[in-house]
Amino acid sequence: NAGVTQTPKFQVLKTGQSMTLQCAQDMNHNSMYWYRQDPGMGLRLIYYSASEGTTDKGEVPNGYNVSRLNKREFSLRLESAAPSQTSVYFCASSERAGRHPSSGANVLTFGAGSRLTVL
Amino acid sequence: AQKITQTQPGMFVQEKEAVTLDCTYDTSDPSYGLFWYKQPSSGEMIFLIYQGSYDQQNATEGRYSLNFQKARKSANLVISASQLGDSAMYFCAMREWDTGRRALTFGSGTRLQVQP
Repeated sequence: NAGVTQTPKFQVLKTGQSMTLQCAQDMNHNSMYWYRQDPGMGLRLIYYSASEGTTDKGEVPNGYNVSRLNKREFSLRLESAAPSQTSVYFCASSERAGRHPSSGANVLTFGAGSRLTVL
Repeated sequence: AQKITQTQPGMFVQEKEAVTLDCTYDTSDPSYGLFWYKQPSSGEMIFLIYQGSYDQQNATEGRYSLNFQKARKSANLVISASQLGDSAMYFCAMREWDTGRRALTFGSGTRLQVQP
C-alpha cells in the first residue's frame, strides 16, 4: 500500500527553469494538498484541491500552478523557478471531511517530500 | 495573527520521563479540529493524535495525550515515558470547519530531543 507518492525526491534547478512535481495517492481520497516547508516556518499551504475538478489557492500560491489531473493525481508546476522557491515540498491527501469536527479526524496523509534547490 | 503558536523551538527530556509540548491556537470558528504530527529526521510527517472542538474528553493514543483547554485555546501534547525514538520535530495544526477550507494550518514546530 503505497499511500502518497511524490516525484522527484530531489531536484536542482537554475533560476528561470521550469519543472513539475508529481503526486499520486492510492487511498481513494477526495482532497489533495501541496505544502512547502522552510526552516523555522513549519508547513505552509501552496494550493489544495478539495475534490476532483477543483483547486484553490493557499497561503503562498505565487509562482506556482497546479493541476488536479484526476482523483489520484495532483501536480505542482513552477513555471520560472526562483531561489526563494528553494524548499522541501510535501504533497498530502485526505478523505472528504465530515460535517462535524467529531465525525472524523480528516487526517492528512503525507508523501515523503521533495527537496528542491534553485540556484 | 498567527493561527497556531508553538512557543518552544526546542525541548530536552530524559528518557522515560514525560514531556509537554505547548500549542495555542486562534480561531473564532466554533467548529475546528486540532492535530499533532511528528517529523523525524528522515523527513516524513506522521499523524499522532486529533481533538475535535466539541469533544468533551481529552484525546489519547497510546503514550500520547492531548491536553485540550478550550477556554485558554491551548492543545498541548503530552508524551509519557519518553523514548529515544521520540526525538523529532513536532507540529501542531488546526482545521476550521466553517471557513470551508479543508486544509490544515501548521505551527512552526518544536524540536524534541530525548536524552539517555
